Amino acid sequence: DVKVTQSSRYLVKRTGEKVFLECVQDMDHENMFWYRQDPGLGLRLIYFSYDVKMKEKGDIPEGYSVSREKKERFSLILESASTNQTSMYLCASSSGTVPYGYTFGSGTRLTVV
Amino acid sequence: QQQVKQSPQSLIVQKGGISIINCAYENTAFDYFPWYQQFPGKGPALLIAIRPDVSEKKEGRFTISFNKSAKQFSLHIMDSQPGDSATYFCAATTGTYKYIFGTGTRLKVLA
Repeated sequence: DVKVTQSSRYLVKRTGEKVFLECVQDMDHENMFWYRQDPGLGLRLIYFSYDVKMKEKGDIPEGYSVSREKKERFSLILESASTNQTSMYLCASSSGTVPYGYTFGSGTRLTVV
Repeated sequence: QQQVKQSPQSLIVQKGGISIINCAYENTAFDYFPWYQQFPGKGPALLIAIRPDVSEKKEGRFTISFNKSAKQFSLHIMDSQPGDSATYFCAATTGTYKYIFGTGTRLKVLA
């Protein structure tokens, strides 16, 4: 069964910590995405990558960075975690061909205290 | 113009009833409209999708109705079941790999 795996289901971090969220896909997909999901706001795109070492900012990149050193792995980095980054983080991947159907991971619920 | 507006935010339906979720868009360049279903503790999963060259697509109890002139599309769940209780997201794309998602509808089907 093809899948997108996020390394942690729940994380609790302290304000100011550097936080790494890891995502691995086994579908040989070109594209990978990081979203955050908040009630009433839906899915908001943080960053995406269409190739190894390539990245583009999404709609809310402030306070985040990403790394894609290998095709199957896409990491989201919170440089200095803040309480307003408490959220559900979803990783997704898609193939490089139309219609680019997304496959999502199960999410990481991050709480910053 | 890149937004997809989804309504209602939440919906309660009796078992056996019809659930209807609506989405509206402005960008006429959108050419693919998927719906995603998300159960608690899980990531969203593709449910059904439509292209603007058809007005309706049906898969089992799930139907997408598409109105190109009104720039609206909707998801209908016939004979709604408690197992359909989930959050539903509509989305749109211009044929690129970047989707624009609606804000989601939390559906609860009462037994």
